[in-house]
Amino acid sequence: GAVVSQHPSRVICKSGTSVKIECRSLDFQATTMFWYRQFPKQSLMLMATSNEGSKATYEQGVEKDKFLINHASLTLSTLTVTSAHPEDSSFYICSASPGGDGYTFGSGTRLTVV
Amino acid sequence: GDSVTQMEGPVTLSEEAFLTINCTYTATGYPSLFWYVQYPGEGLQLLLKATKADDKGSNKGFEATYRKETTSFHLEKGSVQVSDSAVYFCALSERQGFQKLVFGTGTRLLVSP
Repeated sequence: GAVVSQHPSRVICKSGTSVKIECRSLDFQATTMFWYRQFPKQSLMLMATSNEGSKATYEQGVEKDKFLINHASLTLSTLTVTSAHPEDSSFYICSASPGGDGYTFGSGTRLTVV
Repeated sequence: GDSVTQMEGPVTLSEEAFLTINCTYTATGYPSLFWYVQYPGEGLQLLLKATKADDKGSNKGFEATYRKETTSFHLEKGSVQVSDSAVYFCALSERQGFQKLVFGTGTRLLVSP
């Protein structure tokens, strides 16, 4: 079946540094990918829609300059958390649709900013 | 806008008990409906889905029926196992094109032996 690979699975970084998270569709092309953020014991909140070859569409309240999204190819989207702070610590998950009504999720990245 | 409402958890059951997790939705148009499961420390996995009214999605003993008249998509399982312990998310998406998923708040299920 369709697989979305997300790396790294866990990352710890110092406050003020930047972290890049990769999301790859392994066996299908994805013109659109979605980035979600999940707070502890809460639901997933869509952060942005990543569009191949064009700018990402951010949800209201999401800082574009802090959460940089690049979708340079049909199989790769990246989320960069810039100048990370402890409040950015969270579980980040990407997803893509291989077609139809199906959505495949990456395994998630747990970011801890210390 | 579109929204999904799930019953609050945690839901605590004994093994072999009957499970119901309620989910209702508000949407324009004709959304597709999904149940996703998240095991501890992992990402989301699609459990089942339904794309039109009266469709029944089923997988691993879980079932949910798309009820347009009550705008509901309740998740059921006749006999839960300890391994079913996880967080369950109800979600919807508009059917046209690749639209974002709108999630409910999730319901944690705890099954004891």
